[in-house]
Amino acid sequence: RKEVEQDPGPFNVPEGATVAFNCTYSNSASQSFFWYRQDCRKEPKLLMSVYSSGNEDGRFTAQLNRASQYISLLIRDSKLSDSATYLCVVNKMDSSYKLIFGSGTRLLVRP
Amino acid sequence: IAGITQAPTSQILAAGRRMTLRCTQDMRHNAMYWYRQDLGLGLRLIHYSNTAGTTGKGEVPDGYSVSRANTDDFPLTLASAVPSQTSVYFCASSDLGVEYFGPGTRLTVT
Repeated sequence: RKEVEQDPGPFNVPEGATVAFNCTYSNSASQSFFWYRQDCRKEPKLLMSVYSSGNEDGRFTAQLNRASQYISLLIRDSKLSDSATYLCVVNKMDSSYKLIFGSGTRLLVRP
Repeated sequence: IAGITQAPTSQILAAGRRMTLRCTQDMRHNAMYWYRQDLGLGLRLIHYSNTAGTTGKGEVPDGYSVSRANTDDFPLTLASAVPSQTSVYFCASSDLGVEYFGPGTRLTVT
């Protein structure tokens, strides 16, 4: 079983749609959670951290369910510029600050 | 502020040749990482360094070596390149658990 699992997609949605991505992780001791965004042929960039109580940044909402070891990202009012791959990221909880990256979920927003 | 820079941007390399990918950060982050990204496999950690003078092996270290002589630089060396090392290589550094990535090096081994 992969340490971080995501649906690879692609999710193909019209502009203005609401779309949700899910992610599960295997290490119950993990303490830090993030969503990264990666555009085609570019480096991953931090989209937002995920906090236990859930958090929102504009059109983006992240949720964490520790009991189910499940993380979600909700994007409201999708824009064409939201088209990218979204990576779910969890810390490894060993002696270093290593992060484990999911393979990503691809989002295509169409006009 | 440049953040993290990598060089070269891309390279075509003959199998058996030695190659060093360069990575420099100006954020004074202690931890640095090298990943490779292949289609369908996501980011895989090659080597990491928690602080200058120390390095560690990641998930896929075979065929690669690193050094960390100072805080800013973290070069990755392929001693004798093989075609399976064709990939996009990303360097990253971290602060408070968040990783920041360089623009990547696209390497093709023929």
